[in-house]
Amino acid sequence: DAKTTQPNSMESNEEEPVHLPCNHSTISGTDYIHWYRQLPSQGPEYVIHGLTSNVNNRMASLAIAEDRKSSTLILHRATLRDAAVYYCIHRTGANNLFFGTGTRLTVIP
Amino acid sequence: KAGVTQTPRYLIKTRGQQVTLSCSPISGHRSVSWYQQTPGQGLQFLFEYFSETQRNKGNFPGRFSGRQFSNSRSEMNVSTLELGDSALYLCASSLRSGQLNTEAFFGQGTRLTVV
Repeated sequence: DAKTTQPNSMESNEEEPVHLPCNHSTISGTDYIHWYRQLPSQGPEYVIHGLTSNVNNRMASLAIAEDRKSSTLILHRATLRDAAVYYCIHRTGANNLFFGTGTRLTVIP
Repeated sequence: KAGVTQTPRYLIKTRGQQVTLSCSPISGHRSVSWYQQTPGQGLQFLFEYFSETQRNKGNFPGRFSGRQFSNSRSEMNVSTLELGDSALYLCASSLRSGQLNTEAFFGQGTRLTVV
């Protein structure tokens, strides 16, 4: 299974930026890095994905290290609605997503 | 467009019974994957169906099975239910199978409780 390592939990103040780190040291050249989040009582929700270059979308930014062994999800201004468990996944040739334990983000008002 | 629909949302079954869960993917999506989520094991992949064929299977016993219909709707079945099968069962839909640079869309899940 494609494994990633994330901190169990993080806290952020509302309106502050949040940097969620992820290590994926076993990633291979063709694996994509995906981030999903799961809000309470919901199914996981896609956030962003990338291969080598940094990526931006309306929800977040993804910064990928040059050696691709780590990445950081950046929420530019955390809101209370961003409180969720964030999963970093490196997507291999099979079509299943291997979810690790994720990072539980708490946003403090 | 409509999202992924899972039915029922909640289910209570007795040990030994069998259960069938349903998932309707996003229109046009042909890949449907199933996941089990429990507090102890987290999110675990069950299987994936694409064009009515099982493409990929996780590490679950044969009591867990699934199928996909020609309209891409999918069902999963669990026979001889055990207490440990109590979980949130999630379905994810994707446009195609095996495309690493596309996202999966998840339903809200079916909460199964085995008593």
